[in-house]
Amino acid sequence: GAVVSQHPSWVICKSGTSVKIECRSLDFQATTMFWYRQFPKQSLMLMATSNEGSKATYEQGVEKDKFLINHASLTLSTLTVTSAHPEDSSFYICSARVPSGAYNEQFFGPGTRLTVL
Amino acid sequence: SQKIEQNSEALNIQEGKTATLTCNYTNYSPAYLQWYRQDPGRGPVFLLLIRENEKEKRKERLKVTFDTTLKQSLFHITASQPADSATYLCALDPWDSGNTPLVFGKGTRLSVIA
Repeated sequence: GAVVSQHPSWVICKSGTSVKIECRSLDFQATTMFWYRQFPKQSLMLMATSNEGSKATYEQGVEKDKFLINHASLTLSTLTVTSAHPEDSSFYICSARVPSGAYNEQFFGPGTRLTVL
Repeated sequence: SQKIEQNSEALNIQEGKTATLTCNYTNYSPAYLQWYRQDPGRGPVFLLLIRENEKEKRKERLKVTFDTTLKQSLFHITASQPADSATYLCALDPWDSGNTPLVFGKGTRLSVIA
């Protein structure tokens, strides 16, 4: 199946700093990627849809200025958590659907654990 | 309103038994439904897809059924093993577009006890 990678796998930062998370599609081109957040023992929460070459589409309640998404190429989307605070600590997962995939399944990255002190 | 619900938040089962997980949906008419496995601290991994015209799909010890009348899918793991312990998520594509995000249930955390 298609492979999606994320970097870093975990990050610890001080409150007020910004953190960038990269999501790459390794063996396919992704015009669209999705960013999710997941709190412990909670379900996946879709944050935004990242569109290559255009602005991201954010879900209701997600602050655009806080979670900056850039989809500069067909294989890379980045999520920047700006001025991070402890309540932003979570597990962030990116995902893509392969348009020509046999099952239209969604491929997920391994996730990034963000801890804000 | 539209909902996708997995009835059990957690399910404990004895090793060797069959685990059955339930996924119900409301106000959707999906052409297919998917099941994923998520281990702690990892992203979900695709397991199986079943189409609306398929009653049952199997893959090794996994079996999925899809009843569009009941608006329900059942996910079975036969001869369960401790290694099957994980959270299992059902998902559907509300637009049947192939390039919009899937809608996921909250998941059922399965624990297989040796």
